[in-house]
Amino acid sequence: DAGVTQSPTHLIKTRGQHVTLRCSPISGHKSVSWYQQVLGQGPQFIFQYYEKEERGRGNFPDRFSARQFPNYSSELNVNALLLGDSALYLCASSSPRMNTEAFFGQGTRLTVV
Amino acid sequence: DQQVKQNSPSLSVQEGRISILNCDYTNSMFDYFLWYKKYPAEGPTFLISISSIKDKNEDGRFTVFLNKSAKHLSLHIVPSQPGDSAVYFCAASTGSGYSTLTFGKGTMLLVSP
Repeated sequence: DAGVTQSPTHLIKTRGQHVTLRCSPISGHKSVSWYQQVLGQGPQFIFQYYEKEERGRGNFPDRFSARQFPNYSSELNVNALLLGDSALYLCASSSPRMNTEAFFGQGTRLTVV
Repeated sequence: DQQVKQNSPSLSVQEGRISILNCDYTNSMFDYFLWYKKYPAEGPTFLISISSIKDKNEDGRFTVFLNKSAKHLSLHIVPSQPGDSAVYFCAASTGSGYSTLTFGKGTMLLVSP
């Protein structure tokens, strides 16, 4: 069974540019969440989507946006990139049941120069 | 304000001995707790979880203990193996189907032969 897949795995962008990161959840999982992990910190929640609806949003600026498609895949968009946006971006999929674990993809390493 | 704290950035143990990783939380609404393991250049991998209605959950070499009154949980790995060397993240959620994960900063475990 395929796990959570993310693309691309690595990305280098220039300040001010825009970036789109993609995620395909585990088959049968309808919930997708995005996390940002900077060096030395734990993953920090950005967005959660379920059935194409935003179900939660973390403390991130409006430059960050996301959406979920009918096939449950998801995109994370970041506009006007800052150096501080350099991080590992993780996508997680889960089944929206009580007390269930989230399964993570390998992440996209974004470097802003 | 960190709601999930892992106060030990690193831990070194010898192969065959017990590894104990600790985690404290401050939010009383958390009622589901998870441990993830992360290797470099990979996404976090789910290890074990525990619901607040239990005080212990065991899976092979891994046991998680929860002390709700102290808002403390720990992960025990017995016996430790060199392949266990990784960063371990403690995470917490409110347990609802749409709940997001709040992570600690992680503890790097090094198991030496």
